[in-house]
Amino acid sequence: GNSVTQMEGPVTLSEEAFLTINCTYTATGYPSLFWYVQYPGEGLQLLLKATKADDKGSNKGFEATYRKETTSFHLEKGSVQVSDSAVYFCALTRNNAGNMLTFGGGTRLMVKP
Amino acid sequence: EAGVAQSPRYKIIEKRQSVAFWCNPISGHATLYWYQQILGQGPKLLIQFQNNGVVDDSQLPKDRFSAERLKGVDSTLKIQPAKLEDSAVYLCASRTRTASSYEQYFGPGTRLTVT
Repeated sequence: GNSVTQMEGPVTLSEEAFLTINCTYTATGYPSLFWYVQYPGEGLQLLLKATKADDKGSNKGFEATYRKETTSFHLEKGSVQVSDSAVYFCALTRNNAGNMLTFGGGTRLMVKP
Repeated sequence: EAGVAQSPRYKIIEKRQSVAFWCNPISGHATLYWYQQILGQGPKLLIQFQNNGVVDDSQLPKDRFSAERLKGVDSTLKIQPAKLEDSAVYLCASRTRTASSYEQYFGPGTRLTVT
């Protein structure tokens, strides 16, 4: 079946540090890949997406590249801010699964000033 | 526009008791989802509605969980009787009928603790 594996958190960084959150997936064929973010007290929000191999999704300074050869979709940001503190979820959908979202376990990011 | 509303935000019950959660989706959103998010895990789909009809409830533990969306707007999720392993955050999400499945708007969730 489909599955998503994320690095365990929490990830603690100082402001302006470089961020990488690893995500790998298992799925047949060509899934679409997503990153969602959950700020404290709020619902999950779509952060970025990539629908085919080598696509790069980007939003709010975050980027992730769909790597079919390594089945990965790592989230990166060059300079994090305190306001980026949140939980980040990697997810995928597959046409043969009714486009149901399958989420990873989430990675908590804490950015200190 | 107003977001997805859920209530209550927190609930503590003893095992074998019953509990109900309420969700009001964004106006005009025909598709509604309920997810269970256990601590340290990602959300897991329990049930999907299209208007007042069930699209997918394959992962809903039907011996104790039930959900309804009688008028195709608000929805309730019920657990009866609750078990310790039901402790989790229950998320409601909605989208328009024509939006892609990933374009869901999530509510803040209801945190359930079963003691």
